[in-house]
Amino acid sequence: DQQVKQNSPSLSVQEGRISILNCDYTNSMFDYFLWYKKYPAEGPTFLISISSIKDKNEDGRFTVFLNKSAKHLSLHIVPSQPGDSAVYFCAASFTTSGTYKYIFGTGTRLKVLA
Amino acid sequence: NAGVTQTPKFRVLKTGQSMTLLCAQDMNHEYMYWYRQDPGMGLRLIHYSVGEGTTAKGEVPDGYNVSRLKKQNFLLGLESAAPSQTSVYFCASREAGGSYNEQFFGPGTRLTVL
Repeated sequence: DQQVKQNSPSLSVQEGRISILNCDYTNSMFDYFLWYKKYPAEGPTFLISISSIKDKNEDGRFTVFLNKSAKHLSLHIVPSQPGDSAVYFCAASFTTSGTYKYIFGTGTRLKVLA
Repeated sequence: NAGVTQTPKFRVLKTGQSMTLLCAQDMNHEYMYWYRQDPGMGLRLIHYSVGEGTTAKGEVPDGYNVSRLKKQNFLLGLESAAPSQTSVYFCASREAGGSYNEQFFGPGTRLTVL
C-alpha cells in the first residue's frame, strides 16, 4: 500500500509557464513533506519542504502548498525554466522510536520546453 | 566539503558473488540511510543508522547487511547477490536537528547482478 502517491509519471510545460506537480498521501502522522529534484545519474537533491502545521511555503520560484483535509500537496514552479527538467520526488517524513524516516513517491518527470 | 560520496559508481556481479558498497559523509551527520530505487518505484529504505555503532532494518532489508563502525561511514553488504538486487542504490544522511528536515543524498551506485 503506497502511502505517498505521485499519480502523474510525466509532465511537459512551456518555458516561462507554471509547472504544478502533485502528491497525495494517506498517513496523517507525517510531520514534514519534502520535494526532491533528481537529474539523471545523480542523487536526489533537496528542493523545499513544509511542516504539517503549515499550508504554504515559498522559496524563490518554488512554492509548496499543503491541503491537510484532502491529504494533498503540490509544488508550483513559476516561471518554469529548461534547467528545471528533472524527476521530482515527493517525500513524507515521520518520527518513530526517535528516528526520522521517509516515504517517497514514485516521481514525476518534468520536461520544460524551450 | 564533499557531502555524501558513494563507492563504487557502477558494478556488475554474478549471482552468488558478494560485495560491499561504501558511503561516506563529511557533514558530521548522526543519521545515515541506504535506499534502493527501481523503475516505477520510489526510493525504498533498506537499512538505516541513528549513530555510530547502531543499525536497524528498513522496509526491504532481506539479502543485505550493514555496518556503521565510524560515524562518517555506512557500509552496505550483499553476501550472495541475486538478480533481484539489480538496482540503483542511494545513501543519504541527515543531521539530528535541522530546519528543513532534509536528507542529503550521494550520487548513487548502479548495480547489475547477472
